[in-house]
Amino acid sequence: EVQLLESGGGLVQPGGSLRLSCAASGFTFSGYSMNWVRQAPGKGLEWVSTISAGGGYTYYVDSVKGRFTISRDNSNNTLYVQMDSLRAEDTAVYYCAKGISGTTGSFMDVWGQGTTVTVSS
Amino acid sequence: EIVLTQSPATLSLSPGERATLSCRASQSISSLLAWYQQKPGQAPRLLIYDASNRATGIPARFSGSGSGTDFTLTVSSLEPEDFAVYYCQQRSNWPRTFGQGTKVEIK
Repeated sequence: EVQLLESGGGLVQPGGSLRLSCAASGFTFSGYSMNWVRQAPGKGLEWVSTISAGGGYTYYVDSVKGRFTISRDNSNNTLYVQMDSLRAEDTAVYYCAKGISGTTGSFMDVWGQGTTVTVSS
Repeated sequence: EIVLTQSPATLSLSPGERATLSCRASQSISSLLAWYQQKPGQAPRLLIYDASNRATGIPARFSGSGSGTDFTLTVSSLEPEDFAVYYCQQRSNWPRTFGQGTKVEIK
């Protein structure tokens, strides 16, 4: 069974840092681009970042550029996002999602259950 | 940035009725559009990709159409489990963007 399991969410003060992880299983992790998508409380979905299958290409929404860093460890089937200089507006449920194909930025066919990040003093 | 505008914001229908949801892009995105379904407290689920291809395991009552700037998701006969929020998403340009969602509620 294809599964994604996020972890690392929590409460952090403004300006603080957090690293989210997403453990993948049931598919050849190194063959697919991966993504982070977030959803603020009561709001819609917002794409945050994408990393290519090999990890050599990364993309970010403007609001997190320079603050978030997406990465992956294909030997351990794990996706990460390092979030620095966190702001109140980063408060959201963060989902990791698998690309439907090896093409970077393809649609997302498998999603984790999400991990909650709350930025507040 | 490509803006996706979904309409209506809310659709009130009864089980068995046909649902027609619209997604309009601010510029042409060819057929590079997907539809997702999200129920409360759950992660989104991919329904349709590349405008008209059903994802694995998606029932045939869900269909997608359109190209360029105008797209439609149709649910031919609503089942009780179809009442949810639906989002469109484009992968034509970076940043990837979602529409604001259409809530399909029970009338």
